[in-house]
Amino acid sequence: QVQLQESGPGLVKPSQTLSLTCTVSGGSISSGGYYWSWIRQHPGKGLEWIGYIYYSGSTYYNPSLKSRVTISVDTSKNQFSLKLSSVTAADTAVYYCAREDVEMATIFINYWGQGTLVTVSS
Amino acid sequence: EIVLTQSPGTLSLSPGERATLSCRASQSVSSSYLAWYQQKPGQAPRLLIYGASSRATGIPDRFSGSGSGTDFTLTISRLEPEDFAVYYCQQYGSSSRFTFGPGTKVDIK
Repeated sequence: QVQLQESGPGLVKPSQTLSLTCTVSGGSISSGGYYWSWIRQHPGKGLEWIGYIYYSGSTYYNPSLKSRVTISVDTSKNQFSLKLSSVTAADTAVYYCAREDVEMATIFINYWGQGTLVTVSS
Repeated sequence: EIVLTQSPGTLSLSPGERATLSCRASQSVSSSYLAWYQQKPGQAPRLLIYGASSRATGIPDRFSGSGSGTDFTLTISRLEPEDFAVYYCQQYGSSSRFTFGPGTKVDIK
């Protein structure tokens, strides 16, 4: 059973860079066939997809966040990471790492981490 | 950009009742790319339905999905106590890759 676990600071100051890491267990990022993603949820609100990385290192970001987002992968540690720069209070959210599965002609988010709350405040 | 609208915002029902949740897209969505998730307080979303009508692994058959084009429905045939939660529809294919609806909360009447 694949498990994902987010880690990183729960408090970030405005204008600084938010950094989170997702550790994957029960499966290898290097095996390919899946997209490794970050998704966030503002308090009491809906879900916003941030971006993905493939094991090869190819990425795709939500255009609304693209200028501030970097996602990277460390296959030796079976981890992938999120950096979000120039954060403001509007970036306060629960951040989830997740795995997107492609099956036949469909794609869906099949596994999620438990989520980690990141608060942007001075 | 495709916008998903869910109705009702809140559905108040009793255990054993049938729940019908609606998801409407601002333009046609491929059924292959429509999914439903359940989220309970303090938990991550859980995949229920993908491809508009296929149940994810381990999902009870009281959950079913249907629809095409711009109108999709999640039906819970008989509500169990553990089904009271927020439900999100999601589509794949826009420039932001995945977009989610605002959610429908199913609470206990």
